[in-house]
Amino acid sequence: DTAVSQTPKYLVTQMGNDKSIKCEQNLGHDTMYWYKQDSKKFLKIMFSYNNKELIINETVPNRFSPKSPDKAHLNLHINSLELGDSAVYFCASSQSGEQFFGPGTRLTVL
Amino acid sequence: DQQVKQNSPSLSVQEGRISILNCDYTNSMFDYFLWYKKYPAEGPTFLISISSIKDKNEDGRFTVFLNKSAKHLSLHIVPSQPGDSAVYFCAASDRDDKIIFGKGTRLHILP
Repeated sequence: DTAVSQTPKYLVTQMGNDKSIKCEQNLGHDTMYWYKQDSKKFLKIMFSYNNKELIINETVPNRFSPKSPDKAHLNLHINSLELGDSAVYFCASSQSGEQFFGPGTRLTVL
Repeated sequence: DQQVKQNSPSLSVQEGRISILNCDYTNSMFDYFLWYKKYPAEGPTFLISISSIKDKNEDGRFTVFLNKSAKHLSLHIVPSQPGDSAVYFCAASDRDDKIIFGKGTRLHILP
């Protein structure tokens, strides 16, 4: 059973398009995150949701909007994609300190 | 199916002593391994890495050891300091550059 799943795993799209990445966790965790991995493999936190409420919103462009329809899902919608958005995006969920990461979504903007 | 396993959810070590965090992996295609450190309410920050062509990499108080035949790596912190108290994630990467994370080990440094 996959604890944290992301779809799609690979996403190739043109500049200017709008795309979404979905994340689902079946662990019953209260907190979910989105991270962006840079070229040096550093993970930058983008958003965190706790029980459907945004609790961290780092300085990311407002073209990025997280959407949490319920506690098990945290989707990432990106408007007007730019070349610099190309990266691997990780979803994660946590409860009591343990953090479970999804497999990542490699976004390539052409 | 966990490809990267950190079997100890937590570890307590006396200040000044050596902290050893362990990690096992199952995929022999992994060729790059990383350790991340995470404080509460922050994202994981990169700590140290090792390529599969090496068996040791040292950076100050932090040393990572890789045993490819055992598919095992460990992070040694010596001497341990109070600021080292955090959650440590082991991660592995293959040629596709995807990263698989372990679940983390919470390290408590005791005074």
